[in-house]
Amino acid sequence: DTEVTQTPKHLVMGMTNKKSLKCEQHMGHRAMYWYKQKAKKPPELMFVYSYEKLSINESVPSRFSPECPNSSLLNLHLHALQPEDSALYLCASSYQERRELFFGEGSRLTVL
Amino acid sequence: GIQVEQSPPDLILQEGANSTLRCNFSDSVNNLQWFHQNPWGQLINLFYIPSGTKQNGRLSATTVATERYSLLYISSSQTTDSGVYFCAEYGNKLVFGAGTILRVKS
Repeated sequence: DTEVTQTPKHLVMGMTNKKSLKCEQHMGHRAMYWYKQKAKKPPELMFVYSYEKLSINESVPSRFSPECPNSSLLNLHLHALQPEDSALYLCASSYQERRELFFGEGSRLTVL
Repeated sequence: GIQVEQSPPDLILQEGANSTLRCNFSDSVNNLQWFHQNPWGQLINLFYIPSGTKQNGRLSATTVATERYSLLYISSSQTTDSGVYFCAEYGNKLVFGAGTILRVKS
């Protein structure tokens, strides 16, 4: 069983929809991450939230916006997505940055 | 930033066979991890191994930090070992190799 929980497991949305992906960890970790993974490619870092500081991969478009309500939750808000944003979105956490990473099961997103 | 090269890119095994996967790094190794991505997409931690050797059941890993490489050994492979194996190391951020796709046939 993973200790990083992602919901929903699957999401289908239209390009005008607003939706959110949720991630929760109960390991007391202080760093949380969102990764995007396209088919047959390794995961790519989107955001890092560590000690209440957000770091953004500058290549990530503004239609993705992270929110960290508390140290155990990291949400990813989705708005006006494009079909090319369809991918597997993986949440991860670590005790602190540059330490062992633990991933959730992923949220598979399809944008129509 | 750090470059991570994995080999082989694809591997097909008969059930019961052994295999070795390799990662080479262009820079120092400090936080190396091995992951297995199952067919449903979940990335499962196999080893956190900045140096030395670790074993977990039929899997073991060795990292030679001074020579900037790591090896993952799979013995007596099973069909459930199928999937993609990634190694990853930190540069400015965690950098993944391209992965090794493993298919174990019964």
